[in-house]
Amino acid sequence: DAGVIQSPRHEVTEMGQEVTLRCKPISGHNSLFWYRQTMMRGLELLIYFNNNVPIDDSGMPEDRFSAKMPNASFSTLKIQPSEPRDSAVYFCASSPDRAQPQHFGDGTRLSIL
Amino acid sequence: DAKTTQPTSMDCAEGRAANLPCNHSTISGNEYVYWYRQIHSQGPQYIIHGLKNNETNEMASLIITEDRKSSTLILPHATLRDTAVYYCIVRPLSGQGGKLIFGQGTELSVKP
Repeated sequence: DAGVIQSPRHEVTEMGQEVTLRCKPISGHNSLFWYRQTMMRGLELLIYFNNNVPIDDSGMPEDRFSAKMPNASFSTLKIQPSEPRDSAVYFCASSPDRAQPQHFGDGTRLSIL
Repeated sequence: DAKTTQPTSMDCAEGRAANLPCNHSTISGNEYVYWYRQIHSQGPQYIIHGLKNNETNEMASLIITEDRKSSTLILPHATLRDTAVYYCIVRPLSGQGGKLIFGQGTELSVKP
């Protein structure tokens, strides 16, 4: 079975550029989560969706970050404009519903120069 | 803030059981104990979860004390591939929904 698929796996870009991270959840999963991992702060939940609707975006650091889920099989996390402090590994996870264990993708390693 | 306390690191000999402790003294009655692990350069992987009874699956066993203030994850026969950071997390099954709050975890090194 295909797991959570994230793209790209690595992204290097200059500050000020727009960055779009993509996620395809496991088919049939109704909940989708975006996390960020840094050495300083560890793993943090940014936002999660249930049935394509954003439920909790309290972890989104600021207005430069936005996330969408236009359908059940695709989600994006966008950073515009990007800054060096946004450098991190971004993980997407999905679960059958928000109470079930989450399955994580392998992440996108983002470097903002 | 994470509601759990774990040792920063542990070593285990290959083939032996790895016992990873976790303290969650402020756990509420409706909160479950979850364990995830993260192998280097990969996303976290779900291992097991439980409420108050001991649980076992193909990966591990979870022992929760009667007062539920602590638990132990047991990998019965550790292999080199079990080297990872192990996270103990408490969260309600409902209410706050999917929010997983990760602490610093325990870095387990399995040595030959």
